[in-house]
Amino acid sequence: GQNIDQPTEMTATEGAIVQINCTYQTSGFNGLFWYQQHAGEAPTFLSYNVLDGLEEKGRFSSFLSRSKGYSYLLLKELQMKDSASYLCAVRDRGGYGGATNKLIFGTGTLLAVQP
Amino acid sequence: DTGVSQNPRHKITKRGQNVTFRCDPISEHNRLYWYRQTLGQGPEFLTYFQNEAQLEKSRLLSDRFSAERPKGSFSTLEIQRTEQGDSAMYLCASSHRTDPTYEQYFGPGTRLTVT
Repeated sequence: GQNIDQPTEMTATEGAIVQINCTYQTSGFNGLFWYQQHAGEAPTFLSYNVLDGLEEKGRFSSFLSRSKGYSYLLLKELQMKDSASYLCAVRDRGGYGGATNKLIFGTGTLLAVQP
Repeated sequence: DTGVSQNPRHKITKRGQNVTFRCDPISEHNRLYWYRQTLGQGPEFLTYFQNEAQLEKSRLLSDRFSAERPKGSFSTLEIQRTEQGDSAMYLCASSHRTDPTYEQYFGPGTRLTVT
């Protein structure tokens, strides 16, 4: 089966650091994405990990451990505009000989940044 | 690059009516995906096109749903005999054939409300 777990909600303070965890169990893992989604808007790409380790991109970093089925997204120097839902998604090869590469999403973590 | 566009942005319809949504992917993106997202949930995969070929359909896609991508450019998603449970945001995403990460770029979505 396929299962992706992440916390439903988190609250953090402006200027602080927050870590959003994601655990997954999928049959055809082929990379993990983090997307940001503001209310009523489309998801936008934040990061991609396919090998173990940390990927850093400005204020955002993402970590992957394939053996543990675990990833986290780290947001530094939080700003009010970071208040959004953060979606963890696993790329699944899918059907048709593995050509699909569809995304399997978690439910998302709603982050509220407070002043 | 104008991004992925979707029309209409909002659709309100009565139960039993048919609706059709359109997605225009980013130019030269040969891969096109449809997802459905309900409130408080992550997007769920519906179907995938590679060029004009529909290569995978989710079991979520009942026989009331049909998708096409004539000529491998824009795509349409039709829902026949709509039900209240069809109320959701329908997201389209596309990715470039040469992108090894298969990063998906999402459109703004079509929000469907079935009354």
